[in-house]
Amino acid sequence: GAVVSQHPSWVICKSGTSVKIECRSLDFQATTMFWYRQFPKQSLMLMATSNEGSKATYEQGVEKDKFLINHASLTLSTLTVTSAHPEDSSFYICSAAGTGGWSTEAFFGQGTRLTVV
Amino acid sequence: DAKTTQPNSMESNEEEPVHLPCNHSTISGTDYIHWYRQLPSQGPEYVIHGLTSNVNNRMASLAIAEDRKSSTLILHRATLRDAAVYYCILRDGNYGGSQGNLIFGKGTKLSVKP
Repeated sequence: GAVVSQHPSWVICKSGTSVKIECRSLDFQATTMFWYRQFPKQSLMLMATSNEGSKATYEQGVEKDKFLINHASLTLSTLTVTSAHPEDSSFYICSAAGTGGWSTEAFFGQGTRLTVV
Repeated sequence: DAKTTQPNSMESNEEEPVHLPCNHSTISGTDYIHWYRQLPSQGPEYVIHGLTSNVNNRMASLAIAEDRKSSTLILHRATLRDAAVYYCILRDGNYGGSQGNLIFGKGTKLSVKP
């Protein structure tokens, strides 16, 4: 199946710094990617939808100035957590839709564990 | 809000079949039924999806009720590696728009006993 790769797998950063997470579709073109956040023992929460070449669409309650999303190519989307604080510590997961549109399966990255100290 | 209802948890014995139910009474005609599973500290993994007919693949089978208001994921022989949280999700098959987002509910945590 198609592969979505996230980097890094885990990161520890100091409070107030920014962290960038990359999401790549390795063997297909992803015009749309999705970013999720997952807190311990909770389900995935959709943060934003990223479309190649246009601005991301954020879900209600997600600060667009804090979680910067860039989808500059058909194989790469990035999420930057700016001025990170301990409450931003979470598991961040990206997803990309198959080329067949929404009727096909979605592929997920392995996730990035962010710890802000 | 998630549009599906699943039991919070289920238990199974190794090498026995497992039937994971999902209710989706408000399903629309263009909604596909997707199943994903998530192992601890990993991203979700695609399991199977279907629209109206039952589906089989190497991982599982998906049985869809005739009225499409419920479905069942069937693992034919559970292994310890199948212990995970299983999510049943509706996804609008119309191309484009935010309806294609996968909205996760709480899923069913499957435990497999040796």
